[in-house]
Amino acid sequence: SSELTQDPAVSVALGQTVRITCQGDSLRTYYASWYQQKPGQAPVLVIYGINNRPSGIPDRFSGSNSGDTASLTITGSQAEDEADYYCASRDTSGHQPVLFGGGTKLTVL
Amino acid sequence: QVQLVESGGGVVQPGRSLRLSCAASGFTFSTYGMHWVRQAPGKGLEWVAVIWYDGSDEYYGDSVKGRFTISRDNSKNTLYLQMKSLRVEDTAVYYCARDIGSSSIFDFWGQGTLVTVSS
Repeated sequence: SSELTQDPAVSVALGQTVRITCQGDSLRTYYASWYQQKPGQAPVLVIYGINNRPSGIPDRFSGSNSGDTASLTITGSQAEDEADYYCASRDTSGHQPVLFGGGTKLTVL
Repeated sequence: QVQLVESGGGVVQPGRSLRLSCAASGFTFSTYGMHWVRQAPGKGLEWVAVIWYDGSDEYYGDSVKGRFTISRDNSKNTLYLQMKSLRVEDTAVYYCARDIGSSSIFDFWGQGTLVTVSS
């Protein structure tokens, strides 16, 4: 079955760069979108398409794609970036239209 | 500004039904596809359903297919999720989310409404 795989947890030192990855067959066809979720809050779109940021998202957030892997990079991580990050994409298998990754808990040290 | 406000959550017994609503404002509701996404306590996001901007088509996640129905009333700027035959594993916060141009990218989310299925 189709799925998107993310590392459960990643840590980064304050001010450093971190990459969060998402792997799945559907990413060979569709771009990933990335969502940030802080405790008790709704998810927020941070990256979509090739490398698009919605209004209000800092430019330290960027996205990239290679083969079956999408990446979210935070350059110069801030304390407020500590959150759960989810990738999502359309599904090529026809099983269901949208897939979410399992999420990555980012800790900023 | 774009606002999505869910309502209708609560505690319900297994096998019963519940209808969620999502009131939209700040944008032309009738021109956007809309989704429901849920999150079980302490778990990740799970896509539930989508409906086209004009209500002409809809799709469901495997875990809810045949039990949940998504619908919309563009005259009332409101999205719905009718949930039947509820199971304990349907317990979750349910979010409605707006789709960027039928691309399955969710650019605005509501604050969510909690559904608890318990006897």
